[in-house]
Amino acid sequence: QKEVEQNSGPLSVPEGAIASLNCTYSDRGSQSFFWYRQYSGKSPELIMFIYSNGDKEDGRFTAQLNKASQYVSLLIRDSQPSDSATYLCAVTPFSGGYNKLIFGAGTRLAVHP
Amino acid sequence: GAVVSQHPSRVICKSGTSVKIECRSLDFQATTMFWYRQFPKKSLMLMATSNEGSKATYEQGVEKDKFLINHASLTLSTLTVTSAHPEDSSFYICSALAPRGRNEQFFGPGTRLTVL
Repeated sequence: QKEVEQNSGPLSVPEGAIASLNCTYSDRGSQSFFWYRQYSGKSPELIMFIYSNGDKEDGRFTAQLNKASQYVSLLIRDSQPSDSATYLCAVTPFSGGYNKLIFGAGTRLAVHP
Repeated sequence: GAVVSQHPSRVICKSGTSVKIECRSLDFQATTMFWYRQFPKKSLMLMATSNEGSKATYEQGVEKDKFLINHASLTLSTLTVTSAHPEDSSFYICSALAPRGRNEQFFGPGTRLTVL
């Protein structure tokens, strides 16, 4: 079983719609959860992090964490073509040490006009 | 915001040569840096954790004698790919752990290595 799982996509949504990206993780003791956006040929850039159960909102982005279900999601409201990228979920495992991150394979999002 | 640079951004080398990649935190001190490798359409795979003044911690399956890591100062970590082969061609990305207990990593722009 992969430690961090994401649907590879592509997830195609029309401009202005809500994009919903999902991620599950296997280490129940995981502490921190991150969403990164990566454009082709570029390095990841941090969108949001969440540590506690519930929702966290930042502009058009909302991260949702459910530790009981080992599930974290990212909602993008009013999706724009510039949001088209690969979204990486990353988790700090309980036993990792050194704050290391375990990445999922990423979900490719395509926002079409 | 925290800025991390990498040099070079792109390198092409012949098989059997060694390549050094530098990772610098420009506006903060990073006691911990990380090195990742990413193959096309794949996710980032953590190779090793680099700690200033001590030996790097390598992930399982990563050859420490092939991927030499040196973290000689609080702002610089280097990765040397020794005796590179075509299968080492990849996108290498470093990150630096944010200071003051913040559990965030700031990523460098990456280095595209092509071994002929």
